[in-house]
This record gives sequence, C-alpha cells and structure tokens, in this order.
Amino acid sequence: GAVVSQHPSWVICKSGTSVKIECRSLDFQATTMFWYRQFPKQSLMLMATSNEGSKATYEQGVEKDKFLINHASLTLSTLTVTSAHPEDSSFYICSAREGDGEKLFFGSGTQLSVL
Amino acid sequence: AQTVTQSQPEMSVQEAETVTLSCTYDTSESDYYLFWYKQPPSRQMILVIRQEAYKQQNATENRFSVNFQKAAKSFSLKISDSQLGDAAMYFCAYKYSNSGYALNFGKGTSLLVTP
Repeated sequence: GAVVSQHPSWVICKSGTSVKIECRSLDFQATTMFWYRQFPKQSLMLMATSNEGSKATYEQGVEKDKFLINHASLTLSTLTVTSAHPEDSSFYICSAREGDGEKLFFGSGTQLSVL
Repeated sequence: AQTVTQSQPEMSVQEAETVTLSCTYDTSESDYYLFWYKQPPSRQMILVIRQEAYKQQNATENRFSVNFQKAAKSFSLKISDSQLGDAAMYFCAYKYSNSGYALNFGKGTSLLVTP
C-alpha cells in the first residue's frame, strides 16, 4: 500500500526556536495534504489543508504565521512551527490524498516537545 | 458544523468476544463518508472500515462490521472474535463529499482486550 513518511518522529527544542516537520508521499502523488494536531488522550484536530502549488487553508483559530505550511511538490509538504512555545508541544500528524482518489494515508506522526 | 460524538471513552472486551463501539454524528449533508480508524500505541492511524452514506448496505471488513443508521445518524463498529492486537484507540470520523477529504474526528474510544 501507499506510504506516507513523516520526519522527524520526535523532536525536542528550546522555546523560541523553529521546528520543521516533513511529510512525504513515497510512492504516489499527493495533490492534497492535511495537518492534524493531537493532544494527549484527545482527538485529532485539523489544522490546515495544503494543495500543491497554492497557499494552505487554515482552520479557524490556527495561526498561519506561527504554523507555516509549504506544499512545494506533489510528494512533499512541510509544517514549520515558528518561535515554538511550550503550549505548542503536541503530536502532529499529516495525511495525504492520493491524486483525485478517495484514499487517504497517514504519516506516523511527530511528537514535538518544547522546553 | 459537523460534529462526531463517541460517548464511550473506554471499553473492555474479553478475547474472542464481540464488542460494539458507538458513534453518532450531526450533519445537514445528504452525501458524506464515515470512517473508523484505529490508533495503536505506535500512534499510526490505521483505516479499519469506510462507509458511503448513499449505500444502504453496511460495510464489512473481516472481523469488523458497522451498523449504519442514516436516519438516526448512528455509525457503530462491531468487532467480532476480539484479539489482543485489537487493543487501541478507535476514532470515528466524518467527511462530507465536498470537503476536500479533511476528516472530522470524534474524541475516541479506548478499547482494552483482556485475555
């Protein structure tokens, strides 16, 4: 089956620094990718939708200047958490839609801890 | 806005027995999709089963089946012959046809399987 690679799987950073998370579709073209955030023992909350070559669409309450999303190619989307603070500590998961199809594939997630 | 409700934070089942996880949703759309995802301790999201709203027949995947009641807006998951490997968080998710495949998740049910 299709694979979505998400990297890194975990990262620890100091408050005020920026962290970049990559989401790659390894064997298919992902026209649309989604970024979710999951707090401990809670559900996945959609942060933004990114389409290749265009600006991401952010959900209400998500700061677009803080969570920068770039979808520069059909196989790569990145999420950059800028000037991270402890409250940004969370599990971030990406998912990718294969072409115009109806299948979604999830990355393995990134645990971000901001000290 | 569409909401997905999972009223059982935790459920327990004995190995080889059957368990049903509940999910209700609220929507004004007529055409949509419903999903059950499994999230084991690795936190990788795994698709368990998918149901199109226009199909009256309940979806089945091996030991997993759903009871889809469109009028009642209910979508429960039945796991038969439970196995230790079924222990995980289970999330019910909703997507309406024109949402670009962004999923709206419930809060999840933690399933414990006892020997």
